[in-house]
Amino acid sequence: QQQVKQSPQSLIVQKGGISIINCAYENTAFDYFPWYQQFPGKGPALLIAIRPDVSEKKEGRFTISFNKSAKQFSLHIMDSQPGDSATYFCAASPFSGGYNKLIFGAGTRLAVHP
Amino acid sequence: DTAVSQTPKYLVTQMGNDKSIKCEQNLGHDTMYWYKQDSKKFLKIMFSYNNKELIINETVPNRFSPKSPDKAHLNLHINSLELGDSAVYFCASSPKIGGPQHFGDGTRLSIL
Repeated sequence: QQQVKQSPQSLIVQKGGISIINCAYENTAFDYFPWYQQFPGKGPALLIAIRPDVSEKKEGRFTISFNKSAKQFSLHIMDSQPGDSATYFCAASPFSGGYNKLIFGAGTRLAVHP
Repeated sequence: DTAVSQTPKYLVTQMGNDKSIKCEQNLGHDTMYWYKQDSKKFLKIMFSYNNKELIINETVPNRFSPKSPDKAHLNLHINSLELGDSAVYFCASSPKIGGPQHFGDGTRLSIL
C-alpha cells in the first residue's frame, strides 16, 4: 500500500509558468514533509521541507503548502525554468520518535519547455 | 570534497554472484541509510544505522547485509544476486536520527 500518494506522474510546463505537484498521506504520525529534486544520474537532493505547525513555507521560487486536516501538501514552483526539469519526490516521516524512515511518493517528472 | 560518496558507480554482474557497494560520508553525520530505487524510480528505504547500530531494517531479503565499520562508512553486501536486484542503490546520511538526509549519487546495479 502506498502511504504517500503523489500526482501527477508527469508534468509539462512552459517557461515562466507555475508547476504544481500534489501529495497526500494517511498516517497521522507523519510530522515531517520534505521535497526532493533528482536530476538524471544524481541522487535526490533536499529542496525544501515543512513541519505541520505551519501551513506554508517559501524558499525562493519554491513553496510548500500544507493542509493538515486534508492530509495533503503540495509543491509550487513559481516562474518555472528549463533548469527545473527533473524528477520531484515528496516524502513523509515521523520527525520525532527516534526513527527517521522517509516514505517517498512515486515521483513527478517535470519538463519545463523554453 | 563529495559529501556522500558511493563506489562503484556502476556494477554489472551475473546472477548468483556476491557483490559489495561502499559508502562514505565526510559530513560528520551520525546516521546513514541505504535506499533502493527501482526501474520506475520508486525509492524505498532498506536499512539505517545510527552510530554503527542498526536502527531500521525493512523487509529486505537476508541476502542483503549492511555493515558499518564506523559512523562515516556504511557498506552493503549482497549475496546470490538475482535479476530482481537490478536497481539503483543510494546511500544517504543525516546529522542525527530525524535530521535532513543527504544522498549520494547512487550505484547502478545490473544483473545479467
